[in-house]
Amino acid sequence: GAVVSQHPSRVICKSGTSVKIECRSLDFQATTMFWYRQFPKQSLMLMATSNEGSKATYEQGVEKDKFLINHASLTLSTLTVTSAHPEDSSFYICSARFSGRWRERSYEQYFGPGTRLTVT
Amino acid sequence: GQNIDQPTEMTATEGAIVQINCTYQTSGFNGLFWYQQHAGEAPTFLSYNVLDGLEEKGRFSSFLSRSKGYSYLLLKELQMKDSASYLCAVRDPAHSNYQLIWGAGTKLIIKP
Repeated sequence: GAVVSQHPSRVICKSGTSVKIECRSLDFQATTMFWYRQFPKQSLMLMATSNEGSKATYEQGVEKDKFLINHASLTLSTLTVTSAHPEDSSFYICSARFSGRWRERSYEQYFGPGTRLTVT
Repeated sequence: GQNIDQPTEMTATEGAIVQINCTYQTSGFNGLFWYQQHAGEAPTFLSYNVLDGLEEKGRFSSFLSRSKGYSYLLLKELQMKDSASYLCAVRDPAHSNYQLIWGAGTKLIIKP
């Protein structure tokens, strides 16, 4: 159990276009999903925290108008990179946390496989 | 402020034992996690410590001392597939939504 999927796994887009990345919890409900970005040889950088049915909370320095997050259901959150530029090329990873207390480890985050974005 | 320190890189020999240390300074504490991340892949959960002491899980063990703000991940009988980055993360109740504070990761290189 506790499987999180991401789609697409890799995407190449032209500068100025928008890209949508989907994050799904396949076998559990996730009240909260996290979006991370990771540049080569660097650690995870939290971009935003997404709660189902409410606006996402963005970390300092992350442009909310550029990185649009929608968490419309307990199993799906989407990240849209708008007007992408080459500097947005990175590895984007989502994670999901169990909702409710019925799971022993509801504090634990389960990661999706990541999306490699390349902007040309 | 919030700070998590771990060595940048370590090298060990196949079949040996290696200990990866992590020290943290956070305003609060509600659990420490270790994750493994292979290059180009997402992190996978290894262990969770919230009380002092050692948690053993197969070849991997994790230790926590809350008074010292210190944890280590111990890997025994090293295999080549253990070559990866190991991330230490702390949950601070001051952050909502069970957000984790992440260390920069330790790159472990296993040599034959």
